Amino acid sequence: QVQVQESGPGLVKPSETLSLTCTVSGRSITDKYWSWIRQPPGKGLEWVGYMYFSGNPHYTGSTSYNPSLKSRAAISIDTSKNQISLKLTSVTAADTAMYYCARDVRVFGAAAGLDGFDVWGQGTMVTVSS
Amino acid sequence: QSALTQPASVSGSPGQSITISCTGTSSDVGGYNYVSWYQQHPGKAPELMIYEVSNRPSGVSYRFSGSKSGNTASLTISGLQAEDEADYYCSSYTSSNTLVFGGGTKLTVL
Repeated sequence: QVQVQESGPGLVKPSETLSLTCTVSGRSITDKYWSWIRQPPGKGLEWVGYMYFSGNPHYTGSTSYNPSLKSRAAISIDTSKNQISLKLTSVTAADTAMYYCARDVRVFGAAAGLDGFDVWGQGTMVTVSS
Repeated sequence: QSALTQPASVSGSPGQSITISCTGTSSDVGGYNYVSWYQQHPGKAPELMIYEVSNRPSGVSYRFSGSKSGNTASLTISGLQAEDEADYYCSSYTSSNTLVFGGGTKLTVL
């Protein structure tokens, strides 16, 4: 059974970089699409971005991001630790949210990575405040 | 990208059926059969209820069904139960190879 656990600092100062980690147990993170999704307190869900890595060391993997984040987001994978990471630069109070890591059901073809998220972590809350 | 449009709230009595709509554009909902629906109880992570417009993941009750017509997708819950009270979100693949969510609908079981 796949289990997902997000972790992070909890509190980040404005203009700094937010760094989160998603640790997956029960299966390898390779050959699956992994997304970060966030939810501000009392508000709806917002897709942040995804990363896919096949496990082929000669292939860097593929990413896609929500254009509203204006290139502030970067997702990476550490296969040795079975972790997916999110870095979000120049944070403001608007980035305060619960951040979730989730796995997509689709691996191949159109909409791969953006079909439906069948495995979610419990989320980690991030507050941006001085 | 703009959020998909969902009603803020819907309600129904136990045993009844309700439908939640999700309206987008031809660049997302109307252009692809990659609409998903999620259920979220307070303080919990979302749970996938429907994907690819009408497919139910293993373990999801048959009472949940999805459909689409033009730029609007719909989630129908039949035989409403108290445990169905939750927030529901739709999402859609977009022509920019990104994902957009709806604003969410609060379902109240009367």
